[in-house]
Amino acid sequence: DAKTTQPTSMDCAEGRAANLPCNHSTISGNEYVYWYRQIHSQGPQYIIHGLKNNETNEMASLIITEDRKSSTLILPHATLRDTAVYYCIVGTDYKLSFGAGTTVTVRA
Amino acid sequence: NAGVTQTPKFRILKIGQSMTLQCTQDMNHNYMYWYRQDPGMGLKLIYYSVGAGITDKGEVPNGYNVSRSTTEDFPLRLELAAPSQTSVYFCASSYLDETQYFGPGTRLLVL
Repeated sequence: DAKTTQPTSMDCAEGRAANLPCNHSTISGNEYVYWYRQIHSQGPQYIIHGLKNNETNEMASLIITEDRKSSTLILPHATLRDTAVYYCIVGTDYKLSFGAGTTVTVRA
Repeated sequence: NAGVTQTPKFRILKIGQSMTLQCTQDMNHNYMYWYRQDPGMGLKLIYYSVGAGITDKGEVPNGYNVSRSTTEDFPLRLELAAPSQTSVYFCASSYLDETQYFGPGTRLLVL
């Protein structure tokens, strides 16, 4: 599986957009980009995933660069409840490999 | 639907003891997984199953065993507990290779 690189931590102001970067320079052509988050030691929660095209759902947007070597998860209006560890994962199947993720702290 | 449930929530074991971590899902998912998460780290896959009667090793299977006799249940067995198995254990399920739904976790302390 391709590996990902994410910043260790980042802060965000409540009500503002949070942009979470992820580098995956060795991604293969058939590998998806997945985002999960984990709130305070709970089980991880699925956010969004994509292959090539940008994706949007009720939680977030995923922007994948044209060369697919990096992506950005966008939380459009961050709330205090979005404080969590965010994991960027690449893979082709169900065997997900979680790295250390980015600890996002939303501040009032 | 209750989703994915795990029992117990917390357990303390002595070195050498054994125990079974229970996992049940009521979403009729065919794929199920066991992960462990050490402090400050991401999750690592222990075992997974793509259907009843089928199991396979993940990244860190040593010291664990699983079985999958029904679609709903996927217990994880620790035979000889060691301090290195102190961790938080998460069970998850999915419909085929789609979104994984995680349980609340079992915190295990081996002393």
